[in-house]
Amino acid sequence: KQEVTQIPAALSVPEGENLVLNCSFTDSAIYNLQWFRQDPGKGLTSLLLIQSSQREQTSGRLNASLDKSSGRSTLYIAASQPGDSATYLCAVYAGNMLTFGGGTRLMVKP
Amino acid sequence: SQTIHQWPATLVQPVGSPLSLECTVEGTSNPNLYWYRQAAGRGLQLLFYSVGIGQISSEVPQNLSASRPQDRQFILSSKKLLLSDSGFYLCAWSVGRKQPQHFGDGTRLSIL
Repeated sequence: KQEVTQIPAALSVPEGENLVLNCSFTDSAIYNLQWFRQDPGKGLTSLLLIQSSQREQTSGRLNASLDKSSGRSTLYIAASQPGDSATYLCAVYAGNMLTFGGGTRLMVKP
Repeated sequence: SQTIHQWPATLVQPVGSPLSLECTVEGTSNPNLYWYRQAAGRGLQLLFYSVGIGQISSEVPQNLSASRPQDRQFILSSKKLLLSDSGFYLCAWSVGRKQPQHFGDGTRLSIL
């Protein structure tokens, strides 16, 4: 059974810092890995999707990497802003389902 | 562009009452559709998915059911709600199983 873990569970940083969020999964037989953002009381916004054959994806200040063999992914956020404050979720797709991690709650202080 | 709509946004129901949550997708054909529940302290859990009209797969045994009467309509139902059905329900769609999933704004369900 696939298990996805995100570390840390919560993170507070001053504005302008570069930061890394970590995601690990137990079964490397995945189709892809997706990073989402969730604002309080809201649905999920897709940030980046990395196919299993890819090593990284970039969108603006976000860069996600995937090391399938070791079961790890990282989300790098450059020059963090208060508007980046949210919960970040990673999810791996295998079979017919996405399995989600518990999320990292990020607060960026002005 | 594609959009996904869920309603209602919030719902308060007594124990034992029926439930119907609706999700519709616009701007795409034959999407894969998903229902998830996010319970406090438990993360997101897949409840049902559908790859076509009338085709429903369930990932966990539960008090809920799902139906897909039209290509872009996905309905989550219950005949009698339990306290444990409380949570945040999210609908999602994708064009294929290896493609990104896109989520609606969710329905917050409280059972009294």
